[in-house]
Amino acid sequence: QLQLQESGPGLVKPSETLSLTCTVSGGSISSSSYYWGWIRQPPGKGLEWIGSIYYSGSTYYNPSLKSRVTISVDTSKNQFSLKLSSVTAADTAVYYCARHLWLTGGFDPWGQGTLVTVSS
Amino acid sequence: QSVLTQPPSVSAAPGQKVTISCSGSSSNIGNNYVSWYQQLPGTAPKLLIYDNNKRPSGIPDRFSGSKSGTSATLGITGLQTGDEADYYCGTWDSSLSAGRWVFGGGTKLTVL
Repeated sequence: QLQLQESGPGLVKPSETLSLTCTVSGGSISSSSYYWGWIRQPPGKGLEWIGSIYYSGSTYYNPSLKSRVTISVDTSKNQFSLKLSSVTAADTAVYYCARHLWLTGGFDPWGQGTLVTVSS
Repeated sequence: QSVLTQPPSVSAAPGQKVTISCSGSSSNIGNNYVSWYQQLPGTAPKLLIYDNNKRPSGIPDRFSGSKSGTSATLGITGLQTGDEADYYCGTWDSSLSAGRWVFGGGTKLTVL
Protein backbone atom coordinates (compact mmCIF):
# COMPACT_ATOMS: atom_id res chain seq x y z
CA GLN A 1 0.00 0.00 0.00
CA LEU A 2 1.51 3.28 -1.12
CA GLN A 3 2.03 5.83 1.66
CA LEU A 4 3.31 9.39 1.62
CA GLN A 5 4.70 11.28 4.61
CA GLU A 6 5.56 14.97 4.80
CA SER A 7 8.36 16.23 7.02
CA GLY A 8 10.01 19.54 7.78
CA PRO A 9 10.02 22.54 10.14
CA GLY A 10 6.65 23.58 11.52
CA LEU A 11 7.72 27.19 11.99
CA VAL A 12 9.38 29.45 9.43
CA LYS A 13 10.25 33.13 9.79
CA PRO A 14 8.89 35.72 7.35
CA SER A 15 11.10 36.27 4.27
CA GLU A 16 12.84 32.91 4.78
CA THR A 17 12.48 29.72 2.73
CA LEU A 18 10.03 26.97 3.61
CA SER A 19 11.46 23.49 2.98
CA LEU A 20 9.49 20.24 3.11
CA THR A 21 10.17 16.67 2.06
CA CYS A 22 7.72 13.94 1.11
CA THR A 23 8.87 10.36 1.62
CA VAL A 24 7.18 7.69 -0.46
CA SER A 25 6.92 4.14 0.91
CA GLY A 26 5.27 1.00 -0.39
CA GLY A 27 6.09 1.86 -3.99
CA SER A 28 8.64 3.51 -6.24
CA ILE A 29 8.70 7.20 -6.98
CA SER A 30 10.11 6.21 -10.37
CA SER A 31 6.90 4.49 -11.45
CA SER A 32 6.08 5.56 -14.97
CA SER A 33 3.04 7.76 -15.58
CA TYR A 34 2.80 9.02 -12.01
CA TYR A 35 3.46 12.58 -10.91
CA TRP A 36 4.13 13.76 -7.39
CA GLY A 37 2.49 16.94 -6.20
CA TRP A 38 2.29 19.45 -3.40
CA ILE A 39 -1.04 20.96 -2.33
CA ARG A 40 -1.64 23.35 0.55
CA GLN A 41 -4.63 24.39 2.65
CA PRO A 42 -4.60 27.57 4.75
CA PRO A 43 -6.44 27.19 8.07
CA GLY A 44 -10.18 27.09 7.48
CA LYS A 45 -9.79 27.53 3.71
CA GLY A 46 -9.74 25.46 0.53
CA LEU A 47 -7.09 23.55 -1.40
CA GLU A 48 -4.42 25.13 -3.60
CA TRP A 49 -2.15 23.16 -5.93
CA ILE A 50 1.46 24.31 -5.62
CA GLY A 51 3.20 22.16 -8.20
CA SER A 52 4.15 18.67 -9.33
CA ILE A 53 7.19 16.74 -10.49
CA TYR A 54 7.82 13.63 -12.57
CA TYR A 55 10.57 11.22 -11.55
CA SER A 56 12.63 12.39 -14.52
CA GLY A 57 12.74 15.85 -12.94
CA SER A 58 10.18 17.60 -15.14
CA THR A 59 8.32 20.17 -13.05
CA TYR A 60 4.98 21.95 -13.32
CA TYR A 61 4.15 24.90 -11.10
CA ASN A 62 1.07 26.94 -10.26
CA PRO A 63 1.62 30.20 -12.18
CA SER A 64 0.60 32.18 -9.10
CA LEU A 65 3.49 30.70 -7.07
CA LYS A 66 5.99 29.85 -9.79
CA SER A 67 8.45 32.65 -9.00
CA ARG A 68 8.91 31.35 -5.44
CA VAL A 69 8.60 27.55 -5.82
CA THR A 70 11.16 24.85 -6.50
CA ILE A 71 10.25 21.15 -6.46
CA SER A 72 12.93 18.50 -6.75
CA VAL A 73 13.11 14.71 -6.66
CA ASP A 74 15.62 12.26 -5.19
CA THR A 75 14.86 8.85 -6.65
CA SER A 76 17.61 7.16 -4.61
CA LYS A 77 15.80 8.14 -1.41
CA ASN A 78 12.27 7.80 -2.86
CA GLN A 79 11.61 11.41 -1.87
CA PHE A 80 10.57 14.67 -3.42
CA SER A 81 10.90 18.11 -1.91
CA LEU A 82 9.34 21.56 -1.89
CA LYS A 83 11.05 24.89 -1.39
CA LEU A 84 8.98 28.07 -1.14
CA SER A 85 10.99 31.26 -0.83
CA SER A 86 10.23 34.68 0.65
CA VAL A 87 7.37 33.38 2.75
CA THR A 88 4.80 35.59 4.46
CA ALA A 89 1.98 34.91 6.88
CA ALA A 90 -0.21 34.13 3.84
CA ASP A 91 1.87 30.98 3.31
CA THR A 92 0.76 29.56 6.66
CA ALA A 93 -1.05 26.34 5.76
CA VAL A 94 -1.20 22.59 6.03
CA TYR A 95 1.02 21.28 3.25
CA TYR A 96 0.11 17.93 1.66
CA CYS A 97 1.96 15.76 -0.80
CA ALA A 98 0.05 13.44 -3.13
CA ARG A 99 0.47 11.24 -6.19
CA HIS A 100 -1.42 11.77 -9.41
CA LEU A 101 -1.59 10.94 -13.08
CA TRP A 102 -1.57 13.69 -15.66
CA LEU A 103 -5.06 15.10 -16.32
CA THR A 104 -6.75 11.93 -15.16
CA GLY A 105 -7.14 9.79 -12.07
CA GLY A 106 -7.21 12.48 -9.39
CA PHE A 107 -4.81 12.96 -6.48
CA ASP A 108 -4.44 9.66 -4.60
CA PRO A 109 -3.13 8.90 -2.08
CA TRP A 110 -2.37 11.94 0.06
CA GLY A 111 0.06 12.32 2.91
CA GLN A 112 -1.33 13.21 6.32
CA GLY A 113 -0.22 16.82 5.93
CA THR A 114 2.05 19.04 7.96
CA LEU A 115 1.20 22.46 9.37
CA VAL A 116 3.70 25.17 8.56
CA THR A 117 3.31 28.47 10.38
CA VAL A 118 5.07 31.60 9.16
CA SER A 119 5.79 33.83 12.11
CA SER A 120 8.67 35.69 13.69
CA GLN B 1 -12.10 33.33 -5.05
CA SER B 2 -11.96 29.76 -6.36
CA VAL B 3 -12.00 28.99 -10.07
CA LEU B 4 -14.58 26.28 -9.42
CA THR B 5 -17.78 27.26 -7.60
CA GLN B 6 -19.35 25.03 -4.96
CA PRO B 7 -22.14 25.79 -2.47
CA PRO B 8 -20.62 26.55 0.95
CA SER B 9 -22.89 24.08 2.70
CA VAL B 10 -25.56 21.44 2.21
CA SER B 11 -27.52 19.40 4.70
CA ALA B 12 -29.86 16.44 4.79
CA ALA B 13 -31.18 13.85 7.19
CA PRO B 14 -29.68 10.40 7.70
CA GLY B 15 -30.75 7.98 4.99
CA GLN B 16 -31.57 10.76 2.55
CA LYS B 17 -29.78 11.78 -0.65
CA VAL B 18 -27.77 14.93 -1.25
CA THR B 19 -26.07 16.45 -4.28
CA ILE B 20 -23.15 18.87 -4.36
CA SER B 21 -22.57 20.97 -7.46
CA CYS B 22 -19.32 22.22 -8.93
CA SER B 23 -19.50 24.89 -11.60
CA GLY B 24 -16.66 25.88 -13.89
CA SER B 25 -16.00 26.85 -17.48
CA SER B 26 -14.83 25.49 -20.82
CA SER B 27 -11.21 26.01 -19.76
CA ASN B 28 -11.54 23.57 -16.87
CA ILE B 29 -14.54 21.28 -16.28
CA GLY B 30 -15.78 21.63 -19.86
CA ASN B 31 -12.69 19.96 -21.30
CA ASN B 32 -11.11 17.97 -18.47
CA TYR B 33 -11.87 15.19 -16.02
CA VAL B 34 -13.32 16.08 -12.62
CA SER B 35 -12.38 14.46 -9.33
CA TRP B 36 -14.03 14.71 -5.93
CA TYR B 37 -12.46 14.55 -2.47
CA GLN B 38 -13.82 13.98 1.02
CA GLN B 39 -12.07 15.67 3.91
CA LEU B 40 -13.16 14.46 7.32
CA PRO B 41 -12.42 16.87 10.20
CA GLY B 42 -8.71 17.06 10.96
CA THR B 43 -7.67 14.66 8.21
CA ALA B 44 -6.22 14.79 4.71
CA PRO B 45 -8.48 14.80 1.66
CA LYS B 46 -9.42 11.40 0.28
CA LEU B 47 -10.22 10.64 -3.35
CA LEU B 48 -13.90 9.74 -3.78
CA ILE B 49 -14.50 10.05 -7.51
CA TYR B 50 -12.10 10.38 -10.44
CA ASP B 51 -12.54 10.89 -14.18
CA ASN B 52 -16.01 12.38 -13.60
CA ASN B 53 -17.76 9.21 -12.43
CA LYS B 54 -15.32 6.46 -11.46
CA ARG B 55 -14.92 5.22 -7.89
CA PRO B 56 -11.57 4.03 -6.49
CA SER B 57 -11.63 0.59 -4.93
CA GLY B 58 -13.08 0.73 -1.43
CA ILE B 59 -15.39 3.67 -2.07
CA PRO B 60 -19.03 2.55 -1.62
CA ASP B 61 -21.48 2.95 -4.48
CA ARG B 62 -23.46 5.40 -2.31
CA PHE B 63 -21.09 7.96 -3.81
CA SER B 64 -21.52 8.87 -7.48
CA GLY B 65 -20.29 11.54 -9.85
CA SER B 66 -21.52 13.05 -13.07
CA LYS B 67 -20.57 15.84 -15.45
CA SER B 68 -22.56 17.86 -17.93
CA GLY B 69 -21.02 20.68 -19.91
CA THR B 70 -19.14 22.96 -17.53
CA SER B 71 -20.66 21.57 -14.32
CA ALA B 72 -20.15 18.47 -12.25
CA THR B 73 -22.18 16.90 -9.47
CA LEU B 74 -21.36 14.63 -6.55
CA GLY B 75 -24.24 12.54 -5.25
CA ILE B 76 -24.41 10.76 -1.92
CA THR B 77 -27.27 8.40 -1.08
CA GLY B 78 -28.16 6.70 2.18
CA LEU B 79 -26.54 9.49 4.19
CA GLN B 80 -24.72 8.50 7.36
CA THR B 81 -23.45 10.68 10.19
CA GLY B 82 -19.96 9.56 9.21
CA ASP B 83 -20.40 11.35 5.88
CA GLU B 84 -20.21 14.72 7.63
CA ALA B 85 -17.17 16.31 6.01
CA ASP B 86 -15.96 18.92 3.57
CA TYR B 87 -16.16 17.92 -0.08
CA TYR B 88 -14.00 19.40 -2.84
CA CYS B 89 -14.10 19.12 -6.62
CA GLY B 90 -10.93 19.45 -8.67
CA THR B 91 -9.83 19.52 -12.28
CA TRP B 92 -7.20 20.89 -14.65
CA ASP B 93 -7.56 24.49 -15.78
CA SER B 94 -5.96 25.84 -18.93
CA SER B 95 -7.12 29.46 -18.80
CA LEU B 96 -3.65 30.83 -18.02
CA SER B 97 -0.58 30.57 -20.26
CA ALA B 98 0.48 27.59 -18.19
CA GLY B 99 -2.19 25.27 -16.89
CA ARG B 100 -2.80 24.42 -13.28
CA TRP B 101 -4.81 22.09 -11.11
CA VAL B 102 -7.71 23.91 -9.45
CA PHE B 103 -10.16 23.05 -6.71
CA GLY B 104 -13.55 24.31 -5.65
CA GLY B 105 -13.91 26.24 -2.42
CA GLY B 106 -15.38 23.23 -0.68
CA THR B 107 -18.84 22.26 0.56
CA LYS B 108 -19.54 21.38 4.17
CA LEU B 109 -22.02 18.52 4.46
CA THR B 110 -24.10 18.36 7.61
CA VAL B 111 -26.11 15.23 8.31
CA LEU B 112 -28.92 16.43 10.53
